[in-house]
Amino acid sequence: GDSVTQMEGPVTLSEEAFLTINCTYTATGYPSLFWYVQYPGEGLQLLLKATKADDKGSNKGFEATYRKETTSFHLEKGSVQVSDSAVYFCALRWTSGSRLTFGEGTQLTVNP
Amino acid sequence: DTEVTQTPKHLVMGMTNKKSLKCEQHMGHRAMYWYKQKAKKPPELMFVYSYEKLSINESVPSRFSPECPNSSLLNLHLHALQPEDSALYLCASSQGSRNYGYTFGSGTRLTVV
Repeated sequence: GDSVTQMEGPVTLSEEAFLTINCTYTATGYPSLFWYVQYPGEGLQLLLKATKADDKGSNKGFEATYRKETTSFHLEKGSVQVSDSAVYFCALRWTSGSRLTFGEGTQLTVNP
Repeated sequence: DTEVTQTPKHLVMGMTNKKSLKCEQHMGHRAMYWYKQKAKKPPELMFVYSYEKLSINESVPSRFSPECPNSSLLNLHLHALQPEDSALYLCASSQGSRNYGYTFGSGTRLTVV
């Protein structure tokens, strides 16, 4: 079945450091891919998405590119801030009407 | 309106109590979901409603009873819960197309004592 594998956390960075959170997937065909962010005590917010190969999703300085050849959707940000501290979930949706499949999540802590 | 609203935000209940969680959206989404999330884990799907009909029940114990009174509202009725049911309960909604993610509410933090 479909699955999503995220790099294990937690990840701790200093402010203004470069961020990469790896995400790879296993799916039949070409799913839509998503990154969600969950701040402490809150629900999940959609951060960005890509719906076909080579699409780049971007939002709030975060980017991720849908790489069909490596079945990956790595999240990047050039300069993280303390306010980016949160849990990040990679997810896929295979077909219309199908459920979201989540990765295990990666805890990011950014120190001043 | 681009939000999913959940009430209450926090709930403490005893094991013999009956309570309900409520969820509302006005985005015209025809699919609505209940998730359970434990600390440091991804959300686990509990129920899916599609066009106001229950389409998926992920083998959830009968002490959790979902209800979809109309296309904008989703309830989760709770009865005789156990302490291990303490978690964050998230509601979400979505359009049918796979190109769209889900919109999540901020959740109800449930504590069973």
